[in-house]
Amino acid sequence: SQTIHQWPATLVQPVGSPLSLECTVEGTSNPNLYWYRQAAGRGLQLLFYSVGIGQISSEVPQNLSASRPQDRQFILSSKKLLLSDSGFYLCAWSAGVAYQPQHFGDGTRLSIL
Amino acid sequence: AQKVTQAQTEISVVEKEDVTLDCVYETRDTTYYLFWYKQPPSGELVFLIRRNSFDEQNEISGRYSWNFQKSTSSFNFTITASQVVDSAVYFCALRGGTSYGKLTFGQGTILTVHP
Repeated sequence: SQTIHQWPATLVQPVGSPLSLECTVEGTSNPNLYWYRQAAGRGLQLLFYSVGIGQISSEVPQNLSASRPQDRQFILSSKKLLLSDSGFYLCAWSAGVAYQPQHFGDGTRLSIL
Repeated sequence: AQKVTQAQTEISVVEKEDVTLDCVYETRDTTYYLFWYKQPPSGELVFLIRRNSFDEQNEISGRYSWNFQKSTSSFNFTITASQVVDSAVYFCALRGGTSYGKLTFGQGTILTVHP
């Protein structure tokens, strides 16, 4: 069966520090991968999605970037965090057809001080 | 553009009551897919159900049931005999047949079931 791992679970970072969140998927190949942010426990905002290695689409211009160095690895990064980057970040995967649901990781709670 | 509206921000019920969560969507796609997700306090999103636009058959799974009505662009979710463990945020989501992989989520409904 397929599983998705996301880490770390919780992160506290100072303003201006870099960020790297990692997500990996097991048990499938060539998944679609997604990064979402959820502020204040409501409403998911799609940040990035990827349909293949090195292919990244950005939904919202911002302080963050994403990379997909391997088929089942998706990384969310920032060079300098802002206070507004605080939130709950969720990684998800789906099979490459529209009717398949997205499956989510456990999320990372990011607090910027 | 696609849009999902969950007009109920918060619902509070007492255990064993039935509760319906509303979802109204907008899309120009003729083929599309609707989803419900549950987000318990621990934070992860749990997939509950998918419905295709060409299949208006309602579905029941245990205490959960879903009513899909294309004529009113609605995909409502009913929990029968609610339990405290049903307390969570519930999200309705839409993906168009042409919008490759991208889900549009509603703002979610916070359901609290009191003992």
